Parts: sequence; structure tokens; C-alpha cells
Amino acid sequence: GEDVEQSLFLSVREGDSSVINCTYTDSSSTYLYWYKQEPGAGLQLLTYIFSNMDMKQDQRLTVLLNKKDKHLSLRIADTQTGDSAIYFCAGASGGSYIPTFGRGTSLIVHP
Amino acid sequence: DVKVTQSSRYLVKRTGEKVFLECVQDMDHENMFWYRQDPGLGLRLIYFSYDVKMKEKGDIPEGYSVSREKKERFSLILESASTNQTSMYLCASRGQENQPQHFGDGTRLSIL
Repeated sequence: GEDVEQSLFLSVREGDSSVINCTYTDSSSTYLYWYKQEPGAGLQLLTYIFSNMDMKQDQRLTVLLNKKDKHLSLRIADTQTGDSAIYFCAGASGGSYIPTFGRGTSLIVHP
Repeated sequence: DVKVTQSSRYLVKRTGEKVFLECVQDMDHENMFWYRQDPGLGLRLIYFSYDVKMKEKGDIPEGYSVSREKKERFSLILESASTNQTSMYLCASRGQENQPQHFGDGTRLSIL
């Protein structure tokens, strides 16, 4: 089955860009998602990309997909303290398309 | 916006009790899911349902059961709660298979 890997922590300064990376194993992954989880809350869908796309931009968020390397990244421009959270990458492939989630990257934004 | 509502944010129960966690969605979604989230382990799928009265086991169904009598409601049942079921439980729903999941706010369950 699918395996999704993320680094556990990322620390950035307020105003800088953050880049959160994710790798997946299933080359047939059709849908790739980014979710944000704030303390004590559920997962909030941030954005998602289909495998026939290389890039998707939505305001401060840019998703890049490298299908050859099975690598997905989420760039947050002008990172703010309110962006501090855990970010989950997930991939879904054929059949039931049930996503497999990474273990999450804790983003810490300091002044 | 999709609204997924979990009945309790925090719940404390005793070992051996039968525990019900309720989840309701308002978007007429076919698919609903229950996950548990533990530090260092990420999200693990317990059960999912793709239609009323239909259910499928996920990765860790042992000790749990589910019920889906109505399309909008998906219940997770701990038949006899144990301390190792202390966790954060997340419910999600989804329309068609090519659509993303939407999550509730979670229930933090403590079994004493």
C-alpha cells in the first residue's frame, strides 16, 4: 500500500517562506492533499492537487508535485504566527481512493 | 461549506463501559470515516462506510464497531472500553471518490 513520509518539525521566522516536504511511494497516487491541524482541533483541508498537475497556487500557498521523484511540497509565503500548526500530507490512489496520511510536520513560527 | 459535527469534544469513560461516539454531516455525503490519532502514529483508519448500512474495516478495527442507519450519521462504538483506546478520534466525510475528505473537530476520549 501507499506510504507517505514527512519530516517531523520545521521552524521558521515570521515573514519568511516555509516549505514542507512530503514523499510518497505509490506512483499511481491520483490525488494528493494538504491538511492543517491546529491544537485540539480536527484537520482542515488546505488544498489538493491532481496527479496530472505540476503546480497549484492559492493565495499564499503553492503546491509543487514532482511525479518522477514522488515528491510533494507545500510552500507558505510570508509565514505568520497563525500558520503554526501540524501539516499533513496525504495521497489517494485507485480503488476506494481512501487517503494515506503522513505523520504530520509541526510548523513553528517564531518572531 | 461542509459541516462535520462530532457530538463531544472531550469524553471521560471507565474501563469496560460501552462508549458511543457520534458524527453527523450535512452535505449528503456517501462516504464517512472514523480515524484515531495518536502522537507519533499519525492518523489510522478504524472503519469506513460508503453507504447506509454498509461498513468496511480499516487498518485497526479490533475493539470497535460502527453503525450507519442514516446517511448523515456514522457512529463509532467501543464495545468494552480499555485504557489503550484513550486517543483523539476524528470523523470525516466525503462525497464522490475524487473529492477530498472533510473532518470534524475531533473527540478526545480518555478511558480511566
